[in-house]
Amino acid sequence: NAGVMQNPRHLVRRRGQEARLRCSPMKGHSHVYWYRQLPEEGLKFMVYLQKENIIDESGMPKERFSAEFPKEGPSILRIQQVVRGDSAAYFCASSPRLGGSEKLFFGSGTQLSVL
Amino acid sequence: ELKVEQNPLFLSMQEGKNYTIYCNYSTTSDRLYWYRQDPGKSLESLFVLLSNGAVKQEGRLMASLDTKARLSTLHITAAVHDLSATYFCAVDIGTSGSRLTFGEGTQLTVNP
Repeated sequence: NAGVMQNPRHLVRRRGQEARLRCSPMKGHSHVYWYRQLPEEGLKFMVYLQKENIIDESGMPKERFSAEFPKEGPSILRIQQVVRGDSAAYFCASSPRLGGSEKLFFGSGTQLSVL
Repeated sequence: ELKVEQNPLFLSMQEGKNYTIYCNYSTTSDRLYWYRQDPGKSLESLFVLLSNGAVKQEGRLMASLDTKARLSTLHITAAVHDLSATYFCAVDIGTSGSRLTFGEGTQLTVNP
């Protein structure tokens, strides 16, 4: 049973470009969470999604960031017109059901570098 | 807003010594987690603490939870170099699925 899969592992973008980060949850998991980790800091919650629904996006910046989790395929975190301050590690986590934080599993992350 | 604070943020210790990392949080919760992160890697789940008074041990690490004091501790016994990593505590207050609020992390270096 594969774990939470994120790709790419590393992503380099120039300022103004778009970044797309992908996350495939563990088999049987229908809840996906995105977290951002800035250098030397803890993880900060961004968004919580279920299939085709955004449940909580209170941690998402108001502009340039969006997330989706379609019926088929991975969850996508999209950052438009990236700036240097977007450089961070972005982690995805999945869980099998509501309130099951003890069953939360993290992916290996995508390291985004904006030049 | 929930705040989770760890201390110390940086810890350098000698092999064989004992030390404790503290995690304080500002809102009632009975779900607290400890994770380990090695540089450039993802988070490895260490302990899941789900009730007041919970104590769990794995090897040289022991974690406890006092929900009344809103405090969790991660105790390191007879440290070895392999324990060098960053340790995070995280709290779930159950308002939105499995959303966790993380502490800033404690960067532990164990010197030979």
